[in-house]
Amino acid sequence: DAKTTQPPSMDCAEGRAANLPCNHSTISGNEYVYWYRQIHSQGPQYIIHGLKNNETNEMASLIITEDRKSSTLILPHATLRDTAVYYCIVRVGSGGYQKVTFGTGTKLQVIP
Amino acid sequence: SAVISQKPSRDICQRGTSLTIQCQVDSQVTMMFWYRQQPGQSLTLIATANQGSEATYESGFVIDKFPISRPNLTFSTLTVSNMSPEDSSIYLCSVEGVGNYEQYFGPGTRLTVT
Repeated sequence: DAKTTQPPSMDCAEGRAANLPCNHSTISGNEYVYWYRQIHSQGPQYIIHGLKNNETNEMASLIITEDRKSSTLILPHATLRDTAVYYCIVRVGSGGYQKVTFGTGTKLQVIP
Repeated sequence: SAVISQKPSRDICQRGTSLTIQCQVDSQVTMMFWYRQQPGQSLTLIATANQGSEATYESGFVIDKFPISRPNLTFSTLTVSNMSPEDSSIYLCSVEGVGNYEQYFGPGTRLTVT
């Protein structure tokens, strides 16, 4: 079973920040939070990951709560091309293989 | 990062036949993964394929239905055998990055069984 829960869908106005929440209340101390997105008919694309500190890259920012039980992916200026399904996943970041389970994700619709 | 290609990109097959999907990676990787994504659904892991050993299948998936080959560190195949309309899905190949545990996905193979 997936270890994360996400809202099934969200809308965001073009140019505004998109804030996508994820709950992972059973996360273990050695598990990272990963975010992927899947644009229609394509393979999932890695966005960002983090352990406990907030992270930022050229695509997005990841805010992880202090207790690590939830996180938020922020797309600072959403564009129409950001319309996709966003998946939040928890997994270990080292020490060998761990099966990655995808939940149902959040379908983000960016509106003109 | 890893660049992954899959062949074919899509196919329409008749029930009872088999289709072999190829996955090629531009670098050597230890683990390769095969996922299925049924229409409107999330991704489900079918199996993990390591070079030189038999694939490890997830619950609900069996080798007779989804035989996998992994002849070297850059290539794998997944066969969908004795197909039925319920096998209509997107099949995705994935590999794990070295050192960062990111997963990279191929573009997928869209299979329709009639």
